[in-house]
Amino acid sequence: GAVVSQHPSRVICKSGTSVKIECRSLDFQATTMFWYRQFPKKSLMLMATSNEGSKATYEQGVEKDKFLINHASLTLSTLTVTSAHPEDSSFYICSARRRGHPDGYTFGSGTRLTVV
Amino acid sequence: AQKVTQAQTEISVVEKEDVTLDCVYETRDTTYYLFWYKQPPSGELVFLIRRNSFDEQNEISGRYSWNFQKSTSSFNFTITASQVVDSAVYFCALTFTGGGNKLTFGTGTQLKVEL
Repeated sequence: GAVVSQHPSRVICKSGTSVKIECRSLDFQATTMFWYRQFPKKSLMLMATSNEGSKATYEQGVEKDKFLINHASLTLSTLTVTSAHPEDSSFYICSARRRGHPDGYTFGSGTRLTVV
Repeated sequence: AQKVTQAQTEISVVEKEDVTLDCVYETRDTTYYLFWYKQPPSGELVFLIRRNSFDEQNEISGRYSWNFQKSTSSFNFTITASQVVDSAVYFCALTFTGGGNKLTFGTGTQLKVEL
C-alpha cells in the first residue's frame, strides 16, 4: 500500500535552533502534501498545503517564516521549524493526497518535536 | 465553512461492550467525503473508512460499522464487542471538492477499553 515515510520520529532540540522534518512518498508521486500540528490531547490542525514546485499555502495564523515548507520533488516535502522555541513543541504529521486511491490520503507516522 | 463535531471527548467501556462514537458535520457543499481515522498512542493515523456524500449505505467491516445519515448530518461509528486493542483516539474528518482537498478534523474521541 501507499507509504509516506516521515523522519525523524522524535527530535529534541535547543531553543533557537532549526529542525527539519522530512516526508517522503515511497511508492507514489505526491503532488500535494499537507502538514498538520497536533497538541497533546487535541485535534490535528492544518498548518499548510504544499504543491510540488510551488510555494506552500499557509493557513491563517501560521507563520510562514517560522515554518518553512519545501516541496521540491514529487516524492519529498520538508517542514523546517526555524528558531524553535518551547512553544513549538508539538506533534507534526504530514499527509499526502493520493488521487484515485480509496484512502484518499496517506499519513506519515509523525514527528514529536521537543524544544528545550 | 465546514466543521466536524465529536461531542464525546472520552468514552470508557469494558471489553466486549459495544460502543458508538458520534460525528456530526457541517458543510454547504453537496459533494463531500467523510473519514474516520484511528490514532493509537504511537501517534500514526490509521485509515478506517472513507464515504462520499452520495453513498448513504451503511458499512460493516468486521467489528466496525458506520451509519451515515445525511438528514442529520451524522456519520457515527460503532465498534461491536470492543477489545483492549481498540483503545485509541478516533477522529472523524471531512473534505469537499473545491476546498483544496483539505481535511477538517473533529476534536477526536478518546476510547478506553478496559478489561
